[in-house]
Amino acid sequence: LAKTTQPISMDSYEGQEVNITCSHNNIATNDYITWYQQFPSQGPRFIIQGYKTKVTNEVASLFIPADRKSSTLSLPRVSLSDTAVYYCLVGDRVQAGTALIFGKGTTLSVSS
Amino acid sequence: DTGVSQNPRHKITKRGQNVTFRCDPISEHNRLYWYRQTLGQGPEFLTYFQNEAQLEKSRLLSDRFSAERPKGSFSTLEIQRTEQGDSAMYLCASSARVQRGAEAFFGQGTRLTVV
Repeated sequence: LAKTTQPISMDSYEGQEVNITCSHNNIATNDYITWYQQFPSQGPRFIIQGYKTKVTNEVASLFIPADRKSSTLSLPRVSLSDTAVYYCLVGDRVQAGTALIFGKGTTLSVSS
Repeated sequence: DTGVSQNPRHKITKRGQNVTFRCDPISEHNRLYWYRQTLGQGPEFLTYFQNEAQLEKSRLLSDRFSAERPKGSFSTLEIQRTEQGDSAMYLCASSARVQRGAEAFFGQGTRLTVV
């Protein structure tokens, strides 16, 4: 399984765009990149998933360069409620059942 | 469907006692996972079921831990002779087959405190 590296923490203010980058130098051909969000005392929640280029949904965008060795989660105009831990996961979509290995994540703190 | 349900939400037990947690996955999800999470750490994988078959177990799952998923529906995680180091949040997640990739839906967790 490819190992991921992300910043331990980030700070932002309300209304700003936040970009969290994840490094996954050993990503395999079949691996997808998935991001989860976790609030205190709750289970992680799926945010977005992608394989290459750019993926956008109602919550975030995911940018993946051509070499796929990194990815960037972009949160537009964050609010206080976006304060949470964000996890980057890399795994084989076909073998999805065994691919959910979490690191320590990035703690995002949003201030007013 | 209300999502993945875990019971109890909180459990306080004395060291040496046995505890059992229950997880009800989203209906028709054939994959079910158990994780353990301690403060400041990401969830650590414990075990995984596909239907009723337990397909993978982490080395974290000592012989005091056992998980079952009879009939491929709900699952239970039992910890025997609890130790203070077992204090953690125990998370359950479920997912459907591969159609949506690695997306898994997590429950609220069961917080275990061993005193």
